[in-house]
Amino acid sequence: GDSVTQMEGPVTLSEEAFLTINCTYTATGYPSLFWYVQYPGEGLQLLLKATKADDKGSNKGFEATYRKETTSFHLEKGSVQVSDSAVYFCALFYTGGFKTIFGAGTRLFVKA
Amino acid sequence: DGGITQSPKYLFRKEGQNVTLSCEQNLNHDAMYWYRQDPGQGLRLIYYSQIVNDFQKGDIAEGYSVSREKKESFPLTVTSAQKNPTAFYLCASSIGPSGEQYFGPGTRLTVT
Repeated sequence: GDSVTQMEGPVTLSEEAFLTINCTYTATGYPSLFWYVQYPGEGLQLLLKATKADDKGSNKGFEATYRKETTSFHLEKGSVQVSDSAVYFCALFYTGGFKTIFGAGTRLFVKA
Repeated sequence: DGGITQSPKYLFRKEGQNVTLSCEQNLNHDAMYWYRQDPGQGLRLIYYSQIVNDFQKGDIAEGYSVSREKKESFPLTVTSAQKNPTAFYLCASSIGPSGEQYFGPGTRLTVT
């Protein structure tokens, strides 16, 4: 079945470091892909999305490109801040369906 | 401001008691969802509702029940039949079925 696999955390970085969080997916069709962020004690917030192959989603300095050939949607940011410390979830959804499949989440710690 | 409210933020119950978690949205969204989040795991879908008076079971519906009598409200009851109810519960909504969902702040339920 369809699934999303994320790199295990926690990921610990110093402020201003480059961030990559890997996400790969297994899909029988052509889903839309999403990154959500969850700050401590809160619900999830949509960070960015891409609806088809080669689309790049971007928001708040984060970006991810929908790579069909490698079935990946890696999250990147050029310079992280302490305020980026959170858990990041990769997810997929099929248009016409109702279920979003989430990865297990990757916790990011950014040190000052 | 539009959004999703969940109450209470923390809930404590004794084993064997049913408990109802509240979820209200003023986004005028048709679709609403309940997820369960456990440490180190992604979100798992409990129930989904696409429209008033209609809902479908998700992956882990056993021991849970819902109602959707109003567009704005989608309460979740955790029954005594749920074997391991202690978890963080998240409610979400979307305009229609979509991976682009808006989440509430969550309710942390502890059953002892």
